[in-house]
Amino acid sequence: DAKTTQPNSMESNEEEPVHLPCNHSTISGTDYIHWYRQLPSQGPEYVIHGLTSNVNNRMASLAIAEDRKSSTLILHRATLRDAAVYYCILTSGGGADGLTFGKGTHLIIQP
Amino acid sequence: NAGVTQTPKFQVLKTGQSMTLQCAQDMNHEYMSWYRQDPGMGLRLIHYSVGAGITDQGEVPNGYNVSRSTTEDFPLRLLSAAPSQTSVYFCASRSGRASNQPQHFGDGTRLSIL
Repeated sequence: DAKTTQPNSMESNEEEPVHLPCNHSTISGTDYIHWYRQLPSQGPEYVIHGLTSNVNNRMASLAIAEDRKSSTLILHRATLRDAAVYYCILTSGGGADGLTFGKGTHLIIQP
Repeated sequence: NAGVTQTPKFQVLKTGQSMTLQCAQDMNHEYMSWYRQDPGMGLRLIHYSVGAGITDQGEVPNGYNVSRSTTEDFPLRLLSAAPSQTSVYFCASRSGRASNQPQHFGDGTRLSIL
């Protein structure tokens, strides 16, 4: 499976944008880029996913580099409730695979 | 809107005991899976199912059994609990077999084996 690399932790201020990076230099042409987050004492929560084009939804935006070797999850206006571990995960489109979780990025939001 | 429901939320077992962790989803999802999460780590796949009557092993299947008799339910059985199985267990489901579909997770079962 293609691997992803994320910073261990990041810190941001409340009401400011947050850019969470993810490197995936060995991504294949059929791999989707998924982001999940896990709030304390909860199960992971789907955030967003994409293949080649940038994606927006009510939670966040996903910016995918043109060569697809990296991506950035953008939280436009962080709140204290966004403090969580964020996981960047690659999945192949047609398989019945589970998700391969790394250690993710621990996002700290300062009031 | 229940989503994925896991029971119990907490459980303490003695070594050698058996138990079943329950997972139910009300979204008519074909795909269901079980993960475990050890402290400070990401989730690891134990078993998964792509539909009723079909199950397969994930990354860490040893010591666990599963069955899928209905679309809604996917129980995980510990046959003879060991301290190494102390972990938080998450059940997940997704629509369809394709892995590009988002997964929905339950809130977990926190299991301690003494």
